[in-house]
Amino acid sequence: AQSVTQPDIHITVSEGASLELRCNYSYGATPYLFWYVQSPGQGLQLLLKYFSGDTLVQGIKGFEAEFKRSQSSFNLRKPSVHWSDAAEYFCAVGARGGADGLTFGKGTHLIIQP
Amino acid sequence: DTAVSQTPKYLVTQMGNDKSIKCEQNLGHDTMYWYKQDSKKFLKIMFSYNNKELIINETVPNRFSPKSPDKAHLNLHINSLELGDSAVYFCASSGDGNSPLHFGNGTRLTVT
Repeated sequence: AQSVTQPDIHITVSEGASLELRCNYSYGATPYLFWYVQSPGQGLQLLLKYFSGDTLVQGIKGFEAEFKRSQSSFNLRKPSVHWSDAAEYFCAVGARGGADGLTFGKGTHLIIQP
Repeated sequence: DTAVSQTPKYLVTQMGNDKSIKCEQNLGHDTMYWYKQDSKKFLKIMFSYNNKELIINETVPNRFSPKSPDKAHLNLHINSLELGDSAVYFCASSGDGNSPLHFGNGTRLTVT
């Protein structure tokens, strides 16, 4: 069965500092991997996705993620966070592009300190 | 224009009542979903429909019944609501096999 682990429930980062959110997955085939962001009271917005090819993928809002098959990881990074980045971040894995449904991690709550 | 829209945004009701949540997408996608997000923010798929046909039906009480009148709409009807049904319900849609999910803004259901 597929699963996603986000080891950090909460992360606090100072504004302007770099960020890395961890994601490990378990999947029997070639995974399709996603990061979504959820702002308070909002739906989920896709930050980036990995299907194949270059293992470093660029997303919106200055985020990037690197797929490492050997470590079963898909960590999300941003070189300099802004106060508006405070939100809940979800990593997800699925077959194809998610058309068969996605399995989500439990999320990481990002807090930005001034 | 909103791509995936859900109504209502908030729903407060008493135990035992029956309620519906509506979802519409204007993206021309073939597949639509319902996800449940619990109080700990955990997201879990409930159902998916492809061109009005049920594809995924996870272990969900049969009090929950999805209905898809056409491929742009997927409604969720819940009978005999229970306290444990309180959650945020998200509708989503996706296009071909390689397109990611697009989510609505959620419906916060509170059962008292």
